[in-house]
Amino acid sequence: DVKVTQSSRYLVKRTGEKVFLECVQDMDHENMFWYRQDPGLGLRLIYFSYDVKMKEKGDIPEGYSVSREKKERFSLILESASTNQTSMYLCASSAAWENTEAFFGQGTRLTVV
Amino acid sequence: GIQVEQSPPDLILQEGANSTLRCNFSDSVNNLQWFHQNPWGQLINLFYIPSGTKQNGRLSATTVATERYSLLYISSSQTTDSGVYFCAVDPGSNDYKLSFGAGTTVTVRA
Repeated sequence: DVKVTQSSRYLVKRTGEKVFLECVQDMDHENMFWYRQDPGLGLRLIYFSYDVKMKEKGDIPEGYSVSREKKERFSLILESASTNQTSMYLCASSAAWENTEAFFGQGTRLTVV
Repeated sequence: GIQVEQSPPDLILQEGANSTLRCNFSDSVNNLQWFHQNPWGQLINLFYIPSGTKQNGRLSATTVATERYSLLYISSSQTTDSGVYFCAVDPGSNDYKLSFGAGTTVTVRA
């Protein structure tokens, strides 16, 4: 079974803190993604990585950065958390060839107070 | 990017009823997936179906790539089918970023 694991299910952080959201996949997938989901706005892509150390901005990268030092791990970093980053964060991975079916982690519900 | 439209936005069903959810997309795609979001927020894979028809138990899906739409059928609905159903596509050609529709919220009443 493909498994994508996010480090936390729920997280509460203070405004201004540096926050790390971690995601690990066990299927040797080339592609990894970070989305955020907000009521009424759907799922929006924050960042995408297609290889180690490679990244592309998605639709809403402002206020976020990412790190992919190993193929299986993709980290989302909130440099200085703000209340408008309170959201559900979803990590996904997919292969880059043939079958590009994407698999998602369980999600991290982040609250910034 | 590719535009994805899902309809209807909301669906209320009586247990045992059948239903059809629709996904229209604006350009050719490499990948089309249907997901069900469970009450805890996780996206559960239902179908990977860039073309053709697939069935899995009471669920089936059909994608007509040439006409740029996909249908998800739920037969003999159960209360556990409640939740949000998403359609997502990627255009391929080295672009694997999934674009999501807004989702269909399904409520199945006992």
